[in-house]
Amino acid sequence: NAGVMQNPRHLVRRRGQEARLRCSPMKGHSHVYWYRQLPEEGLKFMVYLQKENIIDESGMPKERFSAEFPKEGPSILRIQQVVRGDSAAYFCASSPDREWDTEAFFGQGTRLTVV
Amino acid sequence: QKEVEQDPGPLSVPEGAIVSLNCTYSNSAFQYFMWYRQYSRKGPELLMYTYSSGNKEDGRFTAQVDKSSKYISLFIRDSQPSDSATYLCAMNGQGGKLIFGQGTELSVKP
Repeated sequence: NAGVMQNPRHLVRRRGQEARLRCSPMKGHSHVYWYRQLPEEGLKFMVYLQKENIIDESGMPKERFSAEFPKEGPSILRIQQVVRGDSAAYFCASSPDREWDTEAFFGQGTRLTVV
Repeated sequence: QKEVEQDPGPLSVPEGAIVSLNCTYSNSAFQYFMWYRQYSRKGPELLMYTYSSGNKEDGRFTAQVDKSSKYISLFIRDSQPSDSATYLCAMNGQGGKLIFGQGTELSVKP
């Protein structure tokens, strides 16, 4: 049973470009969460999605960031017009079909570097 | 004030020592308390979770929750160099999201 798969593992973008981060949840999981980890900081919640629905985006910056989890395919975190401050590790977690689940499994992350 | 406070360390101990990691929190609504371990440049992996106050033991690891003091702890007995990692406490926020502490960097020296 494959774990949560994130790709790419490393992504380098120039300022102003777009970054697309992908997350395929574990088999049977329909809840996806995105977190951001800045250097020397813990993980910060960004967005919680179920298939075709955004449930909670209270941690998402108001501009340039968007997320989706289509009926088919991976969840996508999209960052438009990236700036240096977007450089961070972005982690995706998935959990089974329960809103409250303490056993969220994390992927290995995508490390975004903006140059 | 952050909802979850955790001393970032770094914490360095000799092999075989007992390690104590702690977090405090401010939101009395938290009910589930988790400890994650994160190796360098890897994703967090769940070590233990507890519900409400009390102790939970799993091998060399013991998790304690004191809701009256809003204080949680993770103890590692007979620490090993392979335990060297960053340890993150986390609590259930509203709607399924997790609220993390900053993480404590632990180094166990052989």
